Amino acid sequence: AQKVTQAQTEISVVEKEDVTLDCVYETRDTTYYLFWYKQPPSGELVFLIRRNSFDEQNEISGRYSWNFQKSTSSFNFTITASQVVDSAVYFCALSEMRRGQFYFGTGTSLTVIP
Amino acid sequence: EAGVAQSPRYKIIEKRQSVAFWCNPISGHATLYWYQQILGQGPKLLIQFQNNGVVDDSQLPKDRFSAERLKGVDSTLKIQPAKLEDSAVYLCASSLGQTNSPLHFGNGTRLTVT
Repeated sequence: AQKVTQAQTEISVVEKEDVTLDCVYETRDTTYYLFWYKQPPSGELVFLIRRNSFDEQNEISGRYSWNFQKSTSSFNFTITASQVVDSAVYFCALSEMRRGQFYFGTGTSLTVIP
Repeated sequence: EAGVAQSPRYKIIEKRQSVAFWCNPISGHATLYWYQQILGQGPKLLIQFQNNGVVDDSQLPKDRFSAERLKGVDSTLKIQPAKLEDSAVYLCASSLGQTNSPLHFGNGTRLTVT
């Protein structure tokens, strides 16, 4: 079974639009961490944000914000006022305390059209 | 802080040949990972080291893949003999080792098997 599901394979938006990337996860652990990574065309995976399972407070950091809901096992990521440089593949990831493993979703390819 | 270093950046080999990849993690990072990323997919864990011990190699095709991390720092991943389906980007990542520690990735090695 897939631990992390990113149902959106490709998204295209026009520059300055807001875009939300969906992530649904599955775990039996009570302590876990969720991450979002960005993979630009250059290929390197870049860490963006992290959330622990005990903190459902949603936050905003610059143009990034995230919505963590344990009740629906979702960890969605929003980019406000998108820019061309945001074009990349975005991966959601889960780290479980019990097994100490990192699981990645299949990624969402975002294209921001100027 | 220097990032995760990987070499080579690209490699093209014929099937049945052997190939080796090298990774130098961020200084002080106890945990080192090798991931395989096939085009259009998310990273798939091959092997995880904690210092110089193997934590998880359940998805490593041991009949052809091997990895070592001597002295708990640098690591090498070897494929012998290579198959066409091994064509992928091989990513090395390191972390401090706690569940909440983000993974820091290198630029990866793009392997093409012809």
